[in-house]
Amino acid sequence: GDSVTQMEGPVTLSEEAFLTINCTYTATGYPSLFWYVQYPGEGLQLLLKATKADDKGSNKGFEATYRKETTSFHLEKGSVQVSDSAVYFCALSEETSGSRLTFGEGTQLTVNP
Amino acid sequence: KAGVTQTPRYLIKTRGQQVTLSCSPISGHRSVSWYQQTPGQGLQFLFEYFSETQRNKGNFPGRFSGRQFSNSRSEMNVSTLELGDSALYLCASSSNRLVADTQYFGPGTRLTVL
Repeated sequence: GDSVTQMEGPVTLSEEAFLTINCTYTATGYPSLFWYVQYPGEGLQLLLKATKADDKGSNKGFEATYRKETTSFHLEKGSVQVSDSAVYFCALSEETSGSRLTFGEGTQLTVNP
Repeated sequence: KAGVTQTPRYLIKTRGQQVTLSCSPISGHRSVSWYQQTPGQGLQFLFEYFSETQRNKGNFPGRFSGRQFSNSRSEMNVSTLELGDSALYLCASSSNRLVADTQYFGPGTRLTVL
């Protein structure tokens, strides 16, 4: 079945540091890939997505490129802010599975001033 | 446009009871999905409803059920509650007209089973 694996957390960085959160996936077909973010006490918000190989999703300074050859979708940001502190989830959906999302374990990011 | 709303936001029940959670999707959205979030198991898919029909189901016991009404509002029901059912239950809606349509999540219902 489909699965998503994220780098283990938590991750603690200083403000303006470079961020990478690794995400790899296993899927039977050609999935769409997503990064969601969850702030304390809230639901999930879509951060970015990519629907086919070599697509790059970007939003709010975050980027991720759909790499089919390495089955990866790593999240990056050049300069993190304290306000980026949250839990980040990598997820996939298959065309044959309707709206079903398969999530990774989540990575807690804390950014210190 | 109003977001996804879930009621109630917090709920405390005891073992053996049953509970019903409600989700109102974004206006015009016909797909509603439910997820369970726990520290141990992470985010797990429960089921999806589209135009009042269950289109997809996760690996949860039959105690977990749901339905969708003609106005796309959805409810999920958990019967014979167990301690392990304590979790944040998230609902998400999408228009689902295109592949990989964005899903919009509600704030969740925090269920505590004592």
